[in-house]
Amino acid sequence: EVQLVESGGGLVQPGGSLRLSCAASGFTFSSHGMNWVRQAPGKGLEWVSYISSDTSTTYYADSVKGRFTISRDNAKNSLYLQMNSLRAEDTAVYYCVSVVVAATFENWGQGTLVTVAS
Amino acid sequence: QSALTQPASVSGSPGQSITISCTGTSSDVGGYNYVSWYQQHPGKAPKLMIYDVNNRPSGVSNRFSGSKSGNTASLTISDLQAEDEADYYCASYTRSSTRLFGPGTRVTVL
Repeated sequence: EVQLVESGGGLVQPGGSLRLSCAASGFTFSSHGMNWVRQAPGKGLEWVSYISSDTSTTYYADSVKGRFTISRDNAKNSLYLQMNSLRAEDTAVYYCVSVVVAATFENWGQGTLVTVAS
Repeated sequence: QSALTQPASVSGSPGQSITISCTGTSSDVGGYNYVSWYQQHPGKAPKLMIYDVNNRPSGVSNRFSGSKSGNTASLTISDLQAEDEADYYCASYTRSSTRLFGPGTRVTVL
């Protein structure tokens, strides 16, 4: 069974930093591109970032470019999101999502809530 | 990054068919056959329903189907059932290799 388990969310002050982690199991993690997708409370889904299976390629939404960094450790079956200079509008549930190709978000974690507030 | 558009809400009676549209541009929906659809029930993670415009993952009911014409993709739910009441999102690959989600459509079963 595929499992994606996010952790690292919590309350952080504006301007602060947070690192999210995602532990993957039940599939060949090193063969899949991975994404972070977020959902603000009561709002829709927003794609945040993508990293290729071999870590050679990363992409970011304009809203987080320059502030967030996606990374992965295939030896540990883990995905990460380093979030710096956090803003109130970054408050959301952050989902770890595996991708088959392009925009096919195949498997989703249950999400971790990040709240940016003073 | 441009935006995709979806109707805010669509409703239908049990047994009816409904269609949700997802309109983009030639730089995303119209330029690639990489459109997917997701169902999300309250408090749950989204679930992949359709990928690559018109393909269903195993385990997804054949009442769900997808299509595309030009810059607009569509999700059709046939024989609407109570458990289909949820939010539905489209997603597309883009020319800049980013991904876009639509704003979501709330489906109500009357």
